[in-house]
Amino acid sequence: DQQVKQNSPSLSVQEGRISILNCDYTNSMFDYFLWYKKYPAEGPTFLISISSIKDKNEDGRFTVFLNKSAKHLSLHIVPSQPGDSAVYFCAASGAGGSEKLVFGKGTKLTVNP
Amino acid sequence: SAVISQKPSRDICQRGTSLTIQCQVDSQVTMMFWYRQQPGQSLTLIATANQGSEATYESGFVIDKFPISRPNLTFSTLTVSNMSPEDSSIYLCSVDRGGPEAFFGQGTRLTVV
Repeated sequence: DQQVKQNSPSLSVQEGRISILNCDYTNSMFDYFLWYKKYPAEGPTFLISISSIKDKNEDGRFTVFLNKSAKHLSLHIVPSQPGDSAVYFCAASGAGGSEKLVFGKGTKLTVNP
Repeated sequence: SAVISQKPSRDICQRGTSLTIQCQVDSQVTMMFWYRQQPGQSLTLIATANQGSEATYESGFVIDKFPISRPNLTFSTLTVSNMSPEDSSIYLCSVDRGGPEAFFGQGTRLTVV
């Protein structure tokens, strides 16, 4: 049973617009959440994270929102750039991030010029 | 961050054979992790490798199929043994730096024919 779900396998947006990538989780013990970006033929690279004590974390163009009651998080990219085109993985961990990471299947984002 | 080098980057292997994947880190780390990403699936943790002790395997993965070595604090190998087409995946080496964020190598794309 998948504990971390990314229900949209792909997303296409225009350059300059907002990209919103969604992630749902089922395990209420998860308290630390991360987003990774992956380009073809490269390993995933860490993008941004959020602890369950917060509901928002921002880093430049990237913002992650956490809704604990809904067990839902989202990654907003504003403005989207063609270089953001990649696969984005949501991951979750328990015990403040000290437990193993559980990943979603990823969402392929395409930003069109 | 950490610089993690994996070799080979890709390989095509005959069924029944074995492949050893190498992972080299640019500095000493306590734990190294091996992940698998099957086509269209999420990253799944295979095992955690500590220097000087046997690797700890996740449910569904066994040492006979995925033997791991960890001879020092900067190097590890994962062997995929007696391969079948179902083993065709991307295999990823990962380390952490004491925090929840994992850093990944570029991955090894394995195709078994």
